[in-house]
Amino acid sequence: DTGVSQDPRHKITKRGQNVTFRCDPISEHNRLYWYRQTLGQGPEFLTYFQNEAQLEKSRLLSDRFSAERPKGSFSTLEIQRTEQGDSAMYLCASSRGRSGNTIYFGEGSWLTVV
Amino acid sequence: QQQVKQSPQSLIVQKGGISIINCAYENTAFDYFPWYQQFPGKGPALLIAIRPDVSEKKEGRFTISFNKSAKQFSLHIMDSQPGDSATYFCAAAGNQFYFGTGTSLTVIP
Repeated sequence: DTGVSQDPRHKITKRGQNVTFRCDPISEHNRLYWYRQTLGQGPEFLTYFQNEAQLEKSRLLSDRFSAERPKGSFSTLEIQRTEQGDSAMYLCASSRGRSGNTIYFGEGSWLTVV
Repeated sequence: QQQVKQSPQSLIVQKGGISIINCAYENTAFDYFPWYQQFPGKGPALLIAIRPDVSEKKEGRFTISFNKSAKQFSLHIMDSQPGDSATYFCAAAGNQFYFGTGTSLTVIP
C-alpha cells in the first residue's frame, strides 16, 4: 500500500503527558498537511509543509503543538502537556504541488486524553 | 469564521432516490472544489472534484454542479444505495483546503 500512513492509530494518554504522531506521505508528494477532526465536524486545518518548510500554521495551533518535517519526507506532530480538549482524530494528508491537486488523507490517529 | 458552509447536516434518502448536498463559499481565490466521503473510523477519501471553469462534472452516479456567480456548489448522488451511507464533506482549496462541517447521509433500503 503506497497511501498516506499514520502511526499510532490510537493513543490514550493522561492529561499533562506529551504525545507524538508520525505521518508518512505518499512518496512523490511534496506537500504534507495536518488536520484535526472532532466528532460531527469537518477536518480543521492545523499546518502544512512544502518539502521541509512549514509554510502556514493555523491560529488554532497553540504553543503546545509543534510539527516538523525533517528532510521533507515523514512528519511528526507533537502535543505537549495534553489537555482533554485535545482529544480528537489527527489527520495527515499529502499532495503533489499546490492548489488544484487532490490531497489524500491517511486513516488518522485517534487521541483520547483522560 | 467558517470558510465553507455545508447543508444539510443530515439526510435520509430511500434507496434509488437522489441525495443532494449543498455548499457555499466566500473566498473567490478558491480554485478547486473537491468532495470527500468518510466512513466511521476512516480518513476522508476523495469522491469527485471540480474546478471553477466548468459548471458540472459527472462521474458515475456522482455529479457536482458549480455556480461560480453564486459561489455555491452541490453534490448529487443519483440512484442512492445503502453503501453510500457515510458522511460527506465539501471543501474549497487555495493554498490549503477548507472543509465544510459534513453531511451524514443514510440511505434506507
